[in-house]
Amino acid sequence: NAGVTQTPKFRVLKTGQSMTLLCAQDMNHEYMYWYRQDPGMGLRLIHYSVGEGTTAKGEVPDGYNVSRLKKQNFLLGLESAAPSQTSVYFCATSRLGTGELFFGEGSRLTVL
Amino acid sequence: GIQVEQSPPDLILQEGANSTLRCNFSDSVNNLQWFHQNPWGQLINLFYIPSGTKQNGRLSATTVATERYSLLYISSSQTTDSGVYFCAVENSGAGSYQLTFGKGTKLSVIP
Repeated sequence: NAGVTQTPKFRVLKTGQSMTLLCAQDMNHEYMYWYRQDPGMGLRLIHYSVGEGTTAKGEVPDGYNVSRLKKQNFLLGLESAAPSQTSVYFCATSRLGTGELFFGEGSRLTVL
Repeated sequence: GIQVEQSPPDLILQEGANSTLRCNFSDSVNNLQWFHQNPWGQLINLFYIPSGTKQNGRLSATTVATERYSLLYISSSQTTDSGVYFCAVENSGAGSYQLTFGKGTKLSVIP
């Protein structure tokens, strides 16, 4: 039982390149989230999904796109990476009715 | 949006000491959680506590929603308690369990 798995764990990009972060969960949770963590800033919500085929913007959505084609997967895309997107990205899930968050291990992204 | 303030920002403890971490929030909430981020970056859910008191081993938490604060107590601290403790809240009516995080309290427990 893996819980919440993020791939890749580390990535270095050049400015303007694109990439996709994958979050996969085997907990059968309805809700999924993408957060970014920057030094001294805590965690900030980028996008979230309340179910398969639905997505919504969070606090800092600019420069990111997401998709949830399957209940167990939530993808975060960067179409044209910028140095300001250098961060640690966390995926999280929660079960309908509780709101308790369960996090993946994080993905460290560096944009040069 | 809702504001979340945690104090103190940094805390250094001798092993075996007790501590209290505080989380103040600026509006009514229907969801409050405490998380521990260990030195390797993993985020672990400690408590889901929108109101009342809960205990789990050496850790306990109390939320007084009417006064807009929550406290996390750590007793008999151990070096493995080191890391950053985050409080996160959901504003009543925000929906979809969208949590706003505080900036955290960095705890260092020294032997």
